[in-house]
Amino acid sequence: DGGITQSPKYLFRKEGQNVTLSCEQNLNHDAMYWYRQDPGQGLRLIYYSQIVNDFQKGDIAEGYSVSREKKESFPLTVTSAQKNPTAFYLCASSIDSGTVNEQFFGPGTRLTVL
Amino acid sequence: DAKTTQPTSMDCAEGRAANLPCNHSTISGNEYVYWYRQIHSQGPQYIIHGLKNNETNEMASLIITEDRKSSTLILPHATLRDTAVYYCIVRDLNSGGYQKVTFGTGTKLQVIP
Repeated sequence: DGGITQSPKYLFRKEGQNVTLSCEQNLNHDAMYWYRQDPGQGLRLIYYSQIVNDFQKGDIAEGYSVSREKKESFPLTVTSAQKNPTAFYLCASSIDSGTVNEQFFGPGTRLTVL
Repeated sequence: DAKTTQPTSMDCAEGRAANLPCNHSTISGNEYVYWYRQIHSQGPQYIIHGLKNNETNEMASLIITEDRKSSTLILPHATLRDTAVYYCIVRDLNSGGYQKVTFGTGTKLQVIP
């Protein structure tokens, strides 16, 4: 089945540690995105990538880093510089960022920093 | 992208139609109206989109006013599984380049048994 996967579903880390969240898609989509969602809030864009080896900052990129070495994969690293990393992280992909029909979202990773 | 306004929450009796309104009074001629929903602790799911004509699919119907300043998402026979947060978004598909999607806080729909 085609889809977008994120792992793990729940992640716990100690304060000061970097952590990498996985996002994989087999939909052959060009564009991929990372969002952050806090309780009772909408989604905020962290980073997006329109094509392999290229990515752009979103609205809240500080404290985060990404890579796009393969079309299928767009991992997100939450660094120790992110002041409030505890949140629900959502990855999404779309066919083409220029003429997007809709974004397909993964199930999300809930990160808790202790 | 134009800003949208939605009620914070709504209730609907199971089996009845759920009508979720969205105001997008600053929408431009090239901007489409999209609806997504997010069931608790899951990723958002695309529902439907439209430009100016009413649209229907297996999940819902979208009614857009003639002046396009507002729209209504209709779930014809709400079930308990439709309890979710519903997001109304407007976006321009013709401007080229990256299309940032701005998700507001949406409408929390509670379907009541």
